[in-house]
Amino acid sequence: SAVISQKPSRDICQRGTSLTIQCQVDSQVTMMFWYRQQPGQSLTLIATANQGSEATYESGFVIDKFPISRPNLTFSTLTVSNMSPEDSSIYLCSGTGDGYIQYFGAGTRLSVL
Amino acid sequence: GIQVEQSPPDLILQEGANSTLRCNFSDSVNNLQWFHQNPWGQLINLFYIPSGTKQNGRLSATTVATERYSLLYISSSQTTDSGVYFCAVWSGGSNYKLTFGKGTLLTVNP
Repeated sequence: SAVISQKPSRDICQRGTSLTIQCQVDSQVTMMFWYRQQPGQSLTLIATANQGSEATYESGFVIDKFPISRPNLTFSTLTVSNMSPEDSSIYLCSGTGDGYIQYFGAGTRLSVL
Repeated sequence: GIQVEQSPPDLILQEGANSTLRCNFSDSVNNLQWFHQNPWGQLINLFYIPSGTKQNGRLSATTVATERYSLLYISSSQTTDSGVYFCAVWSGGSNYKLTFGKGTLLTVNP
């Protein structure tokens, strides 16, 4: 199994600012993903983080708002840019290991004032 | 894309009771996982079960791939079982993207 560390675990930010979330896995994973979970909702995939190239974004998510990096197989970052209160959510990083199984980090609970 | 429906949306139990959660999906799947999200938001992987039956302590899961559903059984429930249970599926392709159901909110009262 893969252990995924995510930080910060929570943050309170002012509107208009940006926050970068880091995700570190303890072993090489095939794929890494970023999800958003709005309050009381299920998880929605933001993008697939591709090593050394631009992330693949899902419909409704754009690179200018959610720039993602993955410089190597075990590390990725998600930035939430120019934040508004509507960005208040839990952001989760995941990675595939042991074949198709996905493992998740503990999440970043973001509140935007 | 593939649709995932979970039922019931909410479930309240007394400690010690048993329960069954259901996940229906609209297409054949290569991966199906059950997760438990605890009250602190952490998503814990319970089962990887694209087909067949697995057991882990008081929890077990069965997926009938030909009929496109999966069941999660919780026996002798405890208050620590409270939280949201998600079913998530991947229907194929090279992207390994999981599609999540809306979840079942389980509350176990002492």
